[in-house]
Amino acid sequence: DVKVTQSSRYLVKRTGEKVFLECVQDMDHENMFWYRQDPGLGLRLIYFSYDVKMKEKGDIPEGYSVSREKKERFSLILESASTNQTSMYLCASSLGGSGKRNEQFFGPGTRLTVL
Amino acid sequence: AQSVTQLDSQVPVFEEAPVELRCNYSSSVSVYLFWYVQYPNQGLQLLLKYLSGSTLVKGINGFEAEFNKSQTSFHLRKPSVHISDTAEYFCAVSGVYGNKLVFGAGTILRVKS
Repeated sequence: DVKVTQSSRYLVKRTGEKVFLECVQDMDHENMFWYRQDPGLGLRLIYFSYDVKMKEKGDIPEGYSVSREKKERFSLILESASTNQTSMYLCASSLGGSGKRNEQFFGPGTRLTVL
Repeated sequence: AQSVTQLDSQVPVFEEAPVELRCNYSSSVSVYLFWYVQYPNQGLQLLLKYLSGSTLVKGINGFEAEFNKSQTSFHLRKPSVHISDTAEYFCAVSGVYGNKLVFGAGTILRVKS
């Protein structure tokens, strides 16, 4: 079974802090994704990585950056956390390529609260 | 580009009743379609997917969905729900040559005893 793990289930940070959310997958997947989930808005893509050191902006990249130095690990960085970044953050991975290989496998999520 | 509309934000239903969660999509290219379920305080889990072939797709936990190309719909159904089906359900679409999923806003299914 594919396993996607996230470093924290719950996180509380203060405004202005630098925040790191870590995600690790164990199935040698090419693609990795970071989403934020807010009530009534579904999942919105923040960033996407299709290879080591390769990244692409999603729909809402403002205020976030990412890092992928190793294939299995994809980090989301909030350079200066703000209260409007309080949300559930979900990491996912997929085989890569296109089409049928698009099925995404999700981690358990990190609920981030910024005070 | 693709988009997904889930027509109901919440669906209340009594235990053992049938349920249908509606999903419509738009796309200028051929698509693959997915339904995911999210139980409270968990990540998303794949319920079923349509890639090609039969338009009636069976998934886990007794769920099924039907791909209707002419109506651009992919509605999820279950003939008899259980309390344990209470969760949020997400419909998602990708283009056949794409590498990302576009998700709907989600439908919360509340099963009452």
